[in-house]
Amino acid sequence: DGGITQSPKYLFRKEGQNVTLSCEQNLNHDAMYWYRQDPGQGLRLIYYSQIVNDFQKGDIAEGYSVSREKKESFPLTVTSAQKNPTAFYLCASSIGGGQGQDTQYFGPGTRLTVL
Amino acid sequence: SQQGEEDPQALSIQEGENATMNCSYKTSINNLQWYRQNSGRGLVHLILIRSNEREKHSGRLRVTLDTSKKSSSLLITASRAADTASYFCATGGGNTPLVFGKGTRLSVIA
Repeated sequence: DGGITQSPKYLFRKEGQNVTLSCEQNLNHDAMYWYRQDPGQGLRLIYYSQIVNDFQKGDIAEGYSVSREKKESFPLTVTSAQKNPTAFYLCASSIGGGQGQDTQYFGPGTRLTVL
Repeated sequence: SQQGEEDPQALSIQEGENATMNCSYKTSINNLQWYRQNSGRGLVHLILIRSNEREKHSGRLRVTLDTSKKSSSLLITASRAADTASYFCATGGGNTPLVFGKGTRLSVIA
């Protein structure tokens, strides 16, 4: 069963703590993306990766970090430097080779709440 | 930087009616895509239209693109309660990844 998974579905964090969100895909896609969505808003790009061992900052990368050590995995760490991390986080993947403009397939999302 | 902007922000219609949503953008594009998001879920790709295309159909969906006006529209015909969702346009242009708009919230009342 091919797809993209994110875990956990809900995540709670105390202020000052780092937290890592998981994103895995078995679609054999080269490109992967992380977005942040605030209530009633569109998606804002945090980081994206076109190929293993390479990634680029999106529009709102400050306070976030990523790694792309495996093709299937693109974890996102929300650091304590992110001032307002409470949001819905979406991971996506695409076949790649289209400068990030090809069709994207999304995971179910992780809702992060900072207590 | 946000490129596409959907209009209206919210739309409420009766089941069986048609729903039309619009997307305007500012710079030249390679393609424009429409996605759907059910509440609290991930986005689902609906349709992609390239800059050299004017109209595309997929089932009850019809998308038009007018590059001279920098606008696109998504028409859902004979809407159903299950069509209730947020609909986003996303534009691909230059050397940057897709840029998503803020979406139109569609409510279809049975």
